[in-house]
Amino acid sequence: QVQLQESGPGLVKPSQTLSLTCSVSGGSISSGLYYWSWIRQHPGKGLEYIGYIYYTGSTYYNPSLKSRLSISVDTSKNQFSLKLSSVTAADTAVYYCARARTGYVYFDSWGQGTLVTVSS
Amino acid sequence: EIVLTQSPGTLSLSPGERATLSCRASQSLTTGYLAWYQQKPGQAPRLLIYGASSRATGIPDRFSGSGSGTDFSLTISRLEPEDFAVYYCQQYGSSPWTFGQGTKVEIK
Repeated sequence: QVQLQESGPGLVKPSQTLSLTCSVSGGSISSGLYYWSWIRQHPGKGLEYIGYIYYTGSTYYNPSLKSRLSISVDTSKNQFSLKLSSVTAADTAVYYCARARTGYVYFDSWGQGTLVTVSS
Repeated sequence: EIVLTQSPGTLSLSPGERATLSCRASQSLTTGYLAWYQQKPGQAPRLLIYGASSRATGIPDRFSGSGSGTDFSLTISRLEPEDFAVYYCQQYGSSPWTFGQGTKVEIK
């Protein structure tokens, strides 16, 4: 059974870049069957889709974040990563990595989530 | 962008009762690409339903989904203590993929 685990700093200063990595175990990112996604949840709020990457490196970014967003993949490490630049307090959220079947972007496996706080 | 509106915001019920949650889309989901998730405090969401009515692996049959077009629902036939949680719908028919704001099912 696939497992996903987020890692990265829990505190980021305003205007800096938020960087997170999702490590995948129990399955290969290179299988070609899935989109590897990022989703966030502001404290006490609903869920916001950030974007995904396919193992080939092709990506989809939510237009609301596209100008600040970069998602990359390292198939040799079975990991994918998120970088969000020029962060503000509005980017404070729990960030989840998740897996979606190609062509059907619903999320059948999730990481436990990691809280990232943007504060000086 | 398709906006999903869930109602009610909070549902207060007792164990054993039936719960019906609604999700309305701002545009028709002609493909029926709607999913439901359950989230408990401090946990990631868990997939319950996809394709509007297909149960995900390991989901008990007391959970059922229905609907088409712009109106969808999730029904829990008899609430178990572990079912008290927040439920989200999500559409994946049109990017950007979006979630509803959630319905909290609480113990009455």
